[in-house]
Amino acid sequence: GEDVEQSLFLSVREGDSSVINCTYTDSSSTYLYWYKQEPGAGLQLLTYIFSNMDMKQDQRLTVLLNKKDKHLSLRIADTQTGDSAIYFCADSGGGADGLTFGKGTHLIIQP
Amino acid sequence: EAQVTQNPRYLITVTGKKLTVTCSQNMNHEYMSWYRQDPGLGLRQIYYSMNVEVTDKGDVPEGYKVSRKEKRNFPLILESPSPNQTSLYFCASSLLGSTNEKLFFGSGTQLSVL
Repeated sequence: GEDVEQSLFLSVREGDSSVINCTYTDSSSTYLYWYKQEPGAGLQLLTYIFSNMDMKQDQRLTVLLNKKDKHLSLRIADTQTGDSAIYFCADSGGGADGLTFGKGTHLIIQP
Repeated sequence: EAQVTQNPRYLITVTGKKLTVTCSQNMNHEYMSWYRQDPGLGLRQIYYSMNVEVTDKGDVPEGYKVSRKEKRNFPLILESPSPNQTSLYFCASSLLGSTNEKLFFGSGTQLSVL
């Protein structure tokens, strides 16, 4: 079945760039997403990329997609303490039965 | 304000006592879905609904029921809860289905089954 894999933890220093990586198996994915979950809250859509794109930039966020390797990454420039959260990668698959989420990457910010 | 509202926020119950977690959205979304979040397992879909009276099983439907009698509401029913259903539950909705539309999530329901 579909599978989305990501590292469970990433620790970076405040002000550095964070790069969160994700791999997926479903080659029919139309859209790939990054969701952010802050403590005690639900998930919020951070950004998404259409499968025929290889890069999308939105202020401090850069999404890179390597469709050949089925690899997605999220780069957060100038990481701040407010970026501390769990980041979920998700792919849409080929059907309408919902997103497949990765297990989430805990981003830890060191002062 | 556009939102997905779940109730209750926290719930402690005992094995076998039927419970319902409510979910309501005010955005006229067709698509609604329930997920459970467990440490080390991420988010797993329980049930989803593409429209009124249309529901389908997700990845982990066992032990759960849902109904979609009205567009705005999508309650999650545990007829006979068991301890392995202790989890954090999220309801989500989107306009036309989750493949290319933004999913809006509720704030979550932390359920403990003793």
